[in-house]
Amino acid sequence: GAVVSQHPSWVICKSGTSVKIECRSLDFQATTMFWYRQFPKQSLMLMATSNEGSKATYEQGVEKDKFLINHASLTLSTLTVTSAHPEDSSFYICSARFDRGKETQYFGPGTRLLVL
Amino acid sequence: GQNIDQPTEMTATEGAIVQINCTYQTSGFNGLFWYQQHAGEAPTFLSYNVLDGLEEKGRFSSFLSRSKGYSYLLLKELQMKDSASYLCAVPLTGGGNKLTFGTGTQLKVEL
Repeated sequence: GAVVSQHPSWVICKSGTSVKIECRSLDFQATTMFWYRQFPKQSLMLMATSNEGSKATYEQGVEKDKFLINHASLTLSTLTVTSAHPEDSSFYICSARFDRGKETQYFGPGTRLLVL
Repeated sequence: GQNIDQPTEMTATEGAIVQINCTYQTSGFNGLFWYQQHAGEAPTFLSYNVLDGLEEKGRFSSFLSRSKGYSYLLLKELQMKDSASYLCAVPLTGGGNKLTFGTGTQLKVEL
């Protein structure tokens, strides 16, 4: 099946630093990737849609200057949390679009971010 | 807009059957997904329904009624490993595969 990886799987950083999270589709090309954020005991909230070769589209309420997204190739999208603060601590999950039968999004394993 | 409702949590006994309900309101309809998510892990795909009726896949079945805006996930012969959050999701209308997720139903399977 289609595989999506994320790196790192977890990261602890100091407040004010920037953190980059990578999302890769390992065995397929994904023109579209999605970034989600999930707080404890809550559901996934879509942050932005990452489009290869063009600017990302952000959901309402998500600061595009704080959450920088770069979709540099058909297999890689990166999310950079700039000037991270403790309230940014969350579980960040990416997914890649790949139309194969009924399943159209494949999720990465997630990155847990803790900002001290 | 879109709205999805699921029970917050459920408890069931190993070996039993449990039904997790989901109701939704959307301006259009492009199918409904069910995902399973274990704590600290990413969601994994369970099912996708776009037509009315029941679809069975092993121990898991999913039902859809478009006229009622209602779906359920049926888990049979429950196992301890089925303890997880079950997420109902619908594509955003005109959203190019964007998904809106319900809050998820935390299922706890007990002995």
